[in-house]
Amino acid sequence: QVQLVESGGGVVQPGGSLRLSCAASGFTFSSYGMHWVRQAPGKGLEWVAFIRYDGSNQYYADSVKGRFTISRDNSKNTLYLQMSSLRAEDTAVYYCAKDFPHWASDYWGQGTLVTVSS
Amino acid sequence: QSALTQPRSVSGSPGQSVAISCTGTSSDVGGYNYVSWYQQHPGRAPKLMIYDVTKRPSGVPDRFSGSKSGNTASLTISGLQAEDEADYYCCSYAGIYTFVVFGGGTKLTVL
Repeated sequence: QVQLVESGGGVVQPGGSLRLSCAASGFTFSSYGMHWVRQAPGKGLEWVAFIRYDGSNQYYADSVKGRFTISRDNSKNTLYLQMSSLRAEDTAVYYCAKDFPHWASDYWGQGTLVTVSS
Repeated sequence: QSALTQPRSVSGSPGQSVAISCTGTSSDVGGYNYVSWYQQHPGRAPKLMIYDVTKRPSGVPDRFSGSKSGNTASLTISGLQAEDEADYYCCSYAGIYTFVVFGGGTKLTVL
């Protein structure tokens, strides 16, 4: 069965950096685009970034462009999100999600909490 | 403020039908047939319920249906059940500069 397991969350100071990972199994990882979506405490979902199946293109929300980098290692079935210049408003649960046709997501991880606080 | 507008809450009794609206613009909901809907129970990851406006993934009950008219999409849940009580989010592709936008979410209460 499809499994997505995020890791790397934690507490970081404003201006700091953090790298999230998402280990994928149960499907041919190298054949699918992948998303990062976040959810601030008590708030709604916000799309963060997308990477194509082969890593050839990456797309970002304006709120993270220039600060976050999405990448993948298809040999390790792992998706990454490198976050830098972190702000308090980046505090959220970060989910990785498998792409489904037309920008939907059919499988989601359990999420990893990132807290930006001094 | 979310890009797509949803009612903050809706409610219905078991067995009834409810509809949740999702209003966007011609740059997102109205411009593409790429609207999806997610169900999220407290403390859980979102679950895909509808994609491409009207399509149901395997395993989603046919009590859930989607539609669209102009810039407004809707999720209809018929034969409400207690386990349907959750937050529901709409989502749309929004073109090559914005890519993906979500609604603010709607809390469904089954009375």
